[in-house]
Amino acid sequence: GDSVTQMEGPVTLSEEAFLTINCTYTATGYPSLFWYVQYPGEGLQLLLKATKADDKGSNKGFEATYRKETTSFHLEKGSVQVSDSAVYFCALSGQGGSEKLVFGKGTKLTVNP
Amino acid sequence: DTAVSQTPKYLVTQMGNDKSIKCEQNLGHDTMYWYKQDSKKFLKIMFSYNNKELIINETVPNRFSPKSPDKAHLNLHINSLELGDSAVYFCASREGNTIYFGEGSWLTVV
Repeated sequence: GDSVTQMEGPVTLSEEAFLTINCTYTATGYPSLFWYVQYPGEGLQLLLKATKADDKGSNKGFEATYRKETTSFHLEKGSVQVSDSAVYFCALSGQGGSEKLVFGKGTKLTVNP
Repeated sequence: DTAVSQTPKYLVTQMGNDKSIKCEQNLGHDTMYWYKQDSKKFLKIMFSYNNKELIINETVPNRFSPKSPDKAHLNLHINSLELGDSAVYFCASREGNTIYFGEGSWLTVV
């Protein structure tokens, strides 16, 4: 079945550091890919998405590119802030409007001032 | 306006009790979900409804019973609560290939 693998956390960075959180997936066909973010004590928010190969999703300075050849959707940000501290989830939705999201295990990011 | 709203946000209850979590979406979406987030933050789908009909039931114990009175509402009723039911429960709805989540309901069973 479909699955998502994220890099293990936690990740601790200093403010203004470069962030990469790796995400790879296994799925048949062409899934849609997502990054969700969960701030402490809050719900899940959609951060960005990409629906086909080579698409780049971006939001709030975060970017991720859908790489079909490497089945990856790595999350990047050039300069993190303390307010980016959260848990980040990579997820996929299967081809053809599959009814459910499959999530990775989440990566906790802590940014120190 | 909150697009997907669920109540209560926090719930502490004793083992053996029966409790419900309500969810409403004002987005006009046909498909709604319940997801469970365990203590390790892992998210897993429980149920999915499309226009009031059950379409996904991911081997959830039958103590959990979803009910959808109309396509804007999907409530979750839990009978005979157990310690292991302590988790965050997220309601969600779908438009196209994008799923939007509510704020979560933090359930603690003591």
